[in-house]
Amino acid sequence: KQEVTQIPAALSVPEGENLVLNCSFTDSAIYNLQWFRQDPGKGLTSLLLIQSSQREQTSGRLNASLDKSSGRSTLYIAASQPGDSATYLCALGAGSYQLTFGKGTKLSVIP
Amino acid sequence: GAGVSQTPSNKVTEKGKYVELRCDPISGHTALYWYRQSLGQGPEFLIYFQGTGAADDSGLPNDRFFAVRPEGSVSTLKIQRTERGDSAVYLCASSARPIGGGARYNEQFFGPGTRLTVL
Repeated sequence: KQEVTQIPAALSVPEGENLVLNCSFTDSAIYNLQWFRQDPGKGLTSLLLIQSSQREQTSGRLNASLDKSSGRSTLYIAASQPGDSATYLCALGAGSYQLTFGKGTKLSVIP
Repeated sequence: GAGVSQTPSNKVTEKGKYVELRCDPISGHTALYWYRQSLGQGPEFLIYFQGTGAADDSGLPNDRFFAVRPEGSVSTLKIQRTERGDSAVYLCASSARPIGGGARYNEQFFGPGTRLTVL
């Protein structure tokens, strides 16, 4: 069974700092990996999708990498802003296309 | 609509009652998923539809839970004899038909969720 771990569970950084969120998984037989953002009391917003054949994806200040051999993905956020404060979830697609999620990292960017 | 919509946004019910949660996917998306998110946890898979049929219902916790998608668009998640442990946010997602061959698998787009509280 796929296990997804996100460390740290919570992170607080000053505005403007670059930061990295980590996601590790136990089974490398995946189709893709998605990073999501979740604001309090809200649904999930898709940030980046990396197919299993890809190594990274970029969107604006966000860059996600995927290393299947080591079972790791990172989400890099450049020049963090208070509006980036949210919970970030990684999810792996496998099997019948269902996603297996980690518990998330709660990010607070302090002005 | 532009995105996945879910109704109601909040549902409060009493233990033992029956509830229905509705999901309206993005127009043209053939795949539809239900997930459940408990406080402080990531979403957990419940059921996946491809068209009208449930392709994978392995995540449904027990036979009190059932979901339908009769016309291949709107889906309803039905919970009988609700229990306090059913309290959670129920999320729906949709995606375009997965492309086979191991090449590309499509992005899932989520709705805002229905917060179910069982008293």
